[in-house]
Amino acid sequence: GAGVSQSPRYKVAKRGQDVALRCDPISGHVSLFWYQQALGQGPEFLTYFQNEAQLDKSGLPSDRFFAERPEGSVSTLKIQRTQQEDSAVYLCASSLTPWTSGGLDEQFFGPGTRLTVL
Amino acid sequence: GQNIDQPTEMTATEGAIVQINCTYQTSGFNGLFWYQQHAGEAPTFLSYNVLDGLEEKGRFSSFLSRSKGYSYLLLKELQMKDSASYLCALLSNDYKLSFGAGTTVTVRA
Repeated sequence: GAGVSQSPRYKVAKRGQDVALRCDPISGHVSLFWYQQALGQGPEFLTYFQNEAQLDKSGLPSDRFFAERPEGSVSTLKIQRTQQEDSAVYLCASSLTPWTSGGLDEQFFGPGTRLTVL
Repeated sequence: GQNIDQPTEMTATEGAIVQINCTYQTSGFNGLFWYQQHAGEAPTFLSYNVLDGLEEKGRFSSFLSRSKGYSYLLLKELQMKDSASYLCALLSNDYKLSFGAGTTVTVRA
């Protein structure tokens, strides 16, 4: 079956531009996560959705970052007025059950979007 | 917070065994995960430990000692395709995954 897909795979933006990154999770997965991975580092948590509800956005680095999942499936991460420090790979992951259900549910990752801000 | 430390790089020969250590400092966590990430690709799940001890999955095994704040991933019968980054991650008590910086393993013929 299809895994998690993300688009675009690569995005180059000029400083100050707005960007939108899309994530298609595995069908039926309740939980959706966004991570930011800088070069040579591990992924860092940005935000979490349970269906359409954004339950945790504590990892978003600034108010220029906004995420939504309006129908509980596809999610979009939007970055306004991009800065050079936003350059990173943005990973999306989904899992079958609610995050806080207590189960150690595997997170399935997408291939990521590599954002370069010039 | 959680300080998760892994070696930056390791090199090993095809057919050999490599052990990747992960140490951490945290007040409590629900589980410790290991992920493999090939360059430019998504992290893929390898194993997880909840209780102390060894979990074996084919050529890969993972060990956890909560009292020592220590885990390792053991890769046996190394193959060229095992060249990748290996990420240690803690699932915190509020169910967030926190990753280490990863260990890049290079397998040489």
